[in-house]
Amino acid sequence: KAGVTQTPRYLIKTRGQQVTLSCSPISGHRSVSWYQQTPGQGLQFLFEYFSETQRNKGNFPGRFSGRQFSNSRSEMNVSTLELGDSALYLCASSLEGITNYGYTFGSGTRLTVV
Amino acid sequence: KNEVEQSPQNLTAQEGEFITINCSYSVGISALHWLQQHPGGGIVSLFMLSSGKKKHGRLIATINIQEKHSSLHITASHPRDSAVYICAAPPLRGDKLIFGTGTRLQVFP
Repeated sequence: KAGVTQTPRYLIKTRGQQVTLSCSPISGHRSVSWYQQTPGQGLQFLFEYFSETQRNKGNFPGRFSGRQFSNSRSEMNVSTLELGDSALYLCASSLEGITNYGYTFGSGTRLTVV
Repeated sequence: KNEVEQSPQNLTAQEGEFITINCSYSVGISALHWLQQHPGGGIVSLFMLSSGKKKHGRLIATINIQEKHSSLHITASHPRDSAVYICAAPPLRGDKLIFGTGTRLQVFP
């Protein structure tokens, strides 16, 4: 079966712009969670969506937002980009949620803000 | 203090050596996860365990719930094991993962 697909793989944006990243989960998975990975902070949880509802949120500013569609595909948006937003953004898909079920990561979107 | 701590941060080994990576956590968790990340960024889930020990090929993961400690062992290490190994703990409340800082392993032939 198809894995978790993240698009685009690479992105270069200018400070102040906004960006939208996409994550298509494994078919049948209803939970999608997003993570940011930077050399300084490591992996950090952004938010988790389940059946189109945000169920959990990490400690990130309101510039970071997301949504989930009825087909479970999820998007995350970062507005007013800052240099510090340069990172690898990963999503993970799970049947019901990461806590008690297996999950699969996508390959990530590498965002560079210049 | 991080809620999930890993050691060592960096590890080099000769092919064939036995490797141990440690993870300690301070939060109450339902399970402990071990992840592997190769250069390029892709992350693979290796183990999810809530008690005892799990084995998959040359990889063994153990957890001691009372001591809030887990270890990942690699027997007969190989250069293809070179990667960053990350432990992650989902708190009892909330569907998210708290990550350790990762251990960068390099295995030389």
